Amino acid sequence: QKEVEQNSGPLSVPEGAIASLNCTYSDRGSQSFFWYRQYSGKSPELIMSIYSNGDKEDGRFTAQLNKASQYVSLLIRDSQPSDSATYLCAGPAGGTSYGKLTFGQGTILTVHP
Amino acid sequence: DVKVTQSSRYLVKRTGEKVFLECVQDMDHENMFWYRQDPGLGLRLIYFSYDVKMKEKGDIPEGYSVSREKKERFSLILESASTNQTSMYLCASSTGTSGAYSTDTQYFGPGTRLTVL
Repeated sequence: QKEVEQNSGPLSVPEGAIASLNCTYSDRGSQSFFWYRQYSGKSPELIMSIYSNGDKEDGRFTAQLNKASQYVSLLIRDSQPSDSATYLCAGPAGGTSYGKLTFGQGTILTVHP
Repeated sequence: DVKVTQSSRYLVKRTGEKVFLECVQDMDHENMFWYRQDPGLGLRLIYFSYDVKMKEKGDIPEGYSVSREKKERFSLILESASTNQTSMYLCASSTGTSGAYSTDTQYFGPGTRLTVL
């Protein structure tokens, strides 16, 4: 079983709507998670990190971590066409990891005008 | 701002050639990583390094080797390039301040798109 799973997508939302991206993880001991955005042909860039249970907001982005249910989500409010990209969820690889992350397969988001 | 640079954005090589991909970070990070990214397969870890001259295999090390002689530089070597190594190669670094159990943010370079003919 993959350590981090992104099952949703591709996702298409109209401009101005809320986009909801989800990720589940298998290691109950995982403490921190990251959301990366990757535009086509470009490298991943960090948009959010979350280390504790609950919500973390940064502008139009909200990351949610629910440790009891072992899921992480990313909400994008007032979605813009420029948000169209692949979103990668990442969590710790576990054990003696030396900073290794395990990445989900990614969710392709398209925001249409 | 963290800056991770890679020596080439695009590279075309012939089968059997020895290929060097260079990565440099300017933030004194302990950890450095090499990934390849292929459609439908996601990001796969090739090798990583948690200190100078220290390296460990990732999930797909076959056909690759690495070198880290200086803290800021991490090189990926394809000993004898093959067509199935055509891919996007991404380098990343992280602080590593938490040591063996660190969960630091990884910062990525721009990537090298390698084509092996």
